[in-house]
Order: sequence, then structure tokens, then C-alpha cells
Amino acid sequence: AQSVTQLDSHVSVSEGTPVLLRCNYSSSYSPSLFWYVQHPNKGLQLLLKYTSAATLVKGINGFEAEFKKSETSFHLTKPSAHMSDAAEYFCVVSDLNTDKLIFGTGTRLQVFP
Amino acid sequence: ETGVTQSPTHLIKTRGQQVTLRCSSQSGHNTVSWYQQALGQGPQFIFQYYREEENGRGNFPPRFSGLQFPNYSSELNVNALELDDSALYLCASSSPGQGTSGYTFGSGTRLTVV
Repeated sequence: AQSVTQLDSHVSVSEGTPVLLRCNYSSSYSPSLFWYVQHPNKGLQLLLKYTSAATLVKGINGFEAEFKKSETSFHLTKPSAHMSDAAEYFCVVSDLNTDKLIFGTGTRLQVFP
Repeated sequence: ETGVTQSPTHLIKTRGQQVTLRCSSQSGHNTVSWYQQALGQGPQFIFQYYREEENGRGNFPPRFSGLQFPNYSSELNVNALELDDSALYLCASSSPGQGTSGYTFGSGTRLTVV
């Protein structure tokens, strides 16, 4: 069975500093992995997705993630945080047997001025 | 091109009542999935509808049921509401062949059971 573990429930950074949100996955086959962002009182927005092409995936708003099979990780990074990045971030794996998304528990990103 | 629209945005119900939540899928999308997001948790898969038939179900009891209509819009019905049903309910639509890579989520319905 597929699963994801988000290693930090909260991350706080200063504006202009790098962001690192950590995610490990478990999958019996090559997974499809995603990062979604959820702003307060909003739905989920896809940041980026990995579907077995390039291991370094670039997404929207300057975010990127690197798929590392040897470490079973899919960490999300951004070189310079912006105040508007403050939100809840979900690492997600796709269950190919049932065509459903399996979400992690989320990481709340706070950005201080 | 319109996105996924959910209604109502907020709802308060009493324990034991029944509720119906609605979702209009994005134009061209024929698959609708429903997720429950409890406070402080990630969304959990409830079920998926494709061409008006249930096409996969998560670990939710039968009092959670759904419908999909010929225009691909969908309803989520919950009977005999319990306090633990309080959550944000998210609908996502996708188009043929895209599967989970092509999900578009709505903004959700916030259900409070008192």
C-alpha cells in the first residue's frame, strides 16, 4: 500500500530565506507524487507532480521538488520565501489501483517578515 | 472554462439529520471524487464517480452515499449525521485519461454537526 509521511507539522521561516518541507513516501511500485497547497478557507491547488519523468520537478510560484528513490523522499523546496507562501502544504501519493489520492497530514508553513 | 463549484460553502446540521452536498465538475471532466478533511488532517478519499457509477470507495460507512448526474455534476449524501462528520468536504473532477494527475479541486463545503 502507498503512503506518505510529512516529517514536520509546522515550519517557520523568515521572508527571503529558503523553504524546505520534507516528505517520505512508501510505495510498492514507482509512485506518482504530488505537492498541493491549501490557503485558509480555500480548496487545494496543485503545486507540482512527479510521474516518473525527470527527478527534479519544477512547479508554480518558484517551488520545486526532487524525487530520490534511494531515500524514498520527495522534499519540497523554494529558494526564497514570500509572505504569500504561508499556507498548509500536503505531500500526496497516487494509488494507481484505485485512482485515488493519499494525503499526508500536512505541514503548516509560516513566513515571518 | 469554469472550475469546480461546490455548494453550499458552509452548513450546520444537528446530529442524526441528513445532508446533501453538491458539486459541479469542471467543463470536460467526467470523473468526480469526494474527500473528507477533518480539522488538522489531510483529506481522506470517500468515493469516486465515473459515468454515473461508483468507481472506487474509501473506508467510509454506507451512510455516505453519492450520485453523479448525466451532466457529470455530483452529490454527496450523509445520513444519520454524527459529530465526527464535522469536516471540510472537497470535490475534485478530472477528465478521461488524466486520472489523479488532472484533478481540479473545489473550495469545499464546511459541515458542522452539533
